[in-house]
Amino acid sequence: EAQVTQNPRYLITVTGKKLTVTCSQNMNHEYMSWYRQDPGLGLRQIYYSMNVEVTDKGDVPEGYKVSRKEKRNFPLILESPSPNQTSLYFCASRTGTGGWNEKLFFGSGTQLSVL
Amino acid sequence: LAKTTQPISMDSYEGQEVNITCSHNNIATNDYITWYQQFPSQGPRFIIQGYKTKVTNEVASLFIPADRKSSTLSLPRVSLSDTAVYYCLVGDIGVKAAGNKLTFGGGTRVLVKP
Repeated sequence: EAQVTQNPRYLITVTGKKLTVTCSQNMNHEYMSWYRQDPGLGLRQIYYSMNVEVTDKGDVPEGYKVSRKEKRNFPLILESPSPNQTSLYFCASRTGTGGWNEKLFFGSGTQLSVL
Repeated sequence: LAKTTQPISMDSYEGQEVNITCSHNNIATNDYITWYQQFPSQGPRFIIQGYKTKVTNEVASLFIPADRKSSTLSLPRVSLSDTAVYYCLVGDIGVKAAGNKLTFGGGTRVLVKP
């Protein structure tokens, strides 16, 4: 089944303790992206990647890192989490070839709480 | 990137048609218009995409006027399960385009009542 898999689904941590949220897709997609969703603010893009070893900042990249060493994986890293990073996070992917019917496939989300 | 404006919320009743209009006055020539649906605690799901005129699939229709400064998502005969947030997304989705930085607006919360 074509899907984007995020782990963990829920995560509670403390300020300053490094964490990684994993994201994997099985559709051979070139493009992957991370979003955070906060009440009243909709979905905001954190980082995106057009291909292996190619990453770029989205609208809210501060406090986050990403890597794209393999095509299927795009982990989100919080080196020193802070309470304002408490949010619902989504990973997404699409083919990246452009054109008609390019659509994003989203993971189920990771609810992160930073205490 | 074209900024989008949608109503914050809409109420409807089962069996009715729901029309959600998205305004995107600064849409660029290469921009596509895409709509997503999101249920609580789930990731958004692609509904429909268009460039101009009308597009229809098994779920919805998308109407885009000639000037492309707005678009309307039409959900025919909604049911309770169509209660969700609907996002309008405008961007150039070409491989080397700035639209790869894809930003969602606030979305429209649709509540379908029995």
